[in-house]
Amino acid sequence: KNEVEQSPQNLTAQEGEFITINCSYSVGISALHWLQQHPGGGIVSLFMLSSGKKKHGRLIATINIQEKHSSLHITASHPRDSAVYICAVGGSQGNLIFGKGTKLSVKP
Amino acid sequence: GAGVSQSPSNKVTEKGKDVELRCDPISGHTALYWYRQSLGQGLEFLIYFQGNSAPDKSGLPSDRFSAERTGGSVSTLTIQRTQQEDSAVYLCASSLVAGAGVAETQYFGPGTRLLVL
Repeated sequence: KNEVEQSPQNLTAQEGEFITINCSYSVGISALHWLQQHPGGGIVSLFMLSSGKKKHGRLIATINIQEKHSSLHITASHPRDSAVYICAVGGSQGNLIFGKGTKLSVKP
Repeated sequence: GAGVSQSPSNKVTEKGKDVELRCDPISGHTALYWYRQSLGQGLEFLIYFQGNSAPDKSGLPSDRFSAERTGGSVSTLTIQRTQQEDSAVYLCASSLVAGAGVAETQYFGPGTRLLVL
């Protein structure tokens, strides 16, 4: 079993839809990270959180430490949100352990 | 300011040759990580440097892989006697500090796309 599980693996949405991507983990963590990888490969850190909820623009990330679960929400989705979203947890030495990613495609 | 840079951006090599990949972290960042992303696979951790401490090599897939970090800044990942399964995007990231229980945002470089023929 992978230490970090994401769902869904692929997601297609219409512009304007509310999107949720889920992440479950099975290891103890210092923090959970949500990353965005656009076609072309560049990776950008969206959120780092260890409790509660964070919001940045149309993006919201939540984490439930007891349930070892996090969600990434996108409100009013737009085609430019199309990317791979990756959940990662902080490993024992600060390195990241990654989920396999969720490929999001938002259609106009 | 300048982000993490990596060179080369693309590298094509023949099986059996050695390759060197370079990473320049953000100035002042003490932690540096190497990750690998194979086609159709997720990201995997390779090696991690924190300041002048001995690196955590636990993620290196074989003894053909090695890395060094000179002067606590620039890092070089070396793959000896490359194999076709080494083909992947090699990503470098840096953060201000790191360690057990420490959470810091990691800043990723653009990656080096390695193709072994």
